[in-house]
Amino acid sequence: AQSVAQPEDQVNVAEGNPLTVKCTYSVSGNPYLFWYVQYPNRGLQFLLKYITGDNLVKGSYGFEAEFNKSQTSFHLKKPSALVSDSALYFCAVRDGGNTPLVFGKGTRLSVIA
Amino acid sequence: EAGVAQSPRYKIIEKRQSVAFWCNPISGHATLYWYQQILGQGPKLLIQFQNNGVVDDSQLPKDRFSAERLKGVDSTLKIQPAKLEDSAVYLCASAIAASGVSEQFFGPGTRLTVL
Repeated sequence: AQSVAQPEDQVNVAEGNPLTVKCTYSVSGNPYLFWYVQYPNRGLQFLLKYITGDNLVKGSYGFEAEFNKSQTSFHLKKPSALVSDSALYFCAVRDGGNTPLVFGKGTRLSVIA
Repeated sequence: EAGVAQSPRYKIIEKRQSVAFWCNPISGHATLYWYQQILGQGPKLLIQFQNNGVVDDSQLPKDRFSAERLKGVDSTLKIQPAKLEDSAVYLCASAIAASGVSEQFFGPGTRLTVL
């Protein structure tokens, strides 16, 4: 069965600095990888996805993620963090096809002015 | 484009009572999901519908949880009777297709507290 690990419960970064939120996954087939963000009292919002092709995926709000097959990782990155990026970030994976989307436990990002 | 609508936003009940949640997906989205998100955890799939048929309900506690999507649009999720461990946020999501490449669009959720 597929699984996702987000090793950090909390990431703190100063505004203007680059940020990275880590995600590793385990699947038996080809991974379909997603990042979602959750703001307080709101549902999850889609940021970006990797299905196939270029390993560097660009998404909403200036975020990007790099798929690394050998390290089974899909880390979320942004060159310059904003205070408004502070939220809860979830990595999720499907084991190809129509298998269930499995989420990590989330990483809380705090951007300090 | 209107998003996924859910109601109520908050519900407090006592254990052994019953509760129902409602979801209206994005217009034209054939696939609908219900997730349970316990505090400090990621969402966990409870049930997936394709139009009005169930695709996956393997993680739905069927002794107390039920869900339906009779006309292939709106859906309701019911818990009867509720237990303390059912306290969670219940998220509804929809997607244009069941394909693995389709991103899911989430509603704001219903926060359930069972006392």
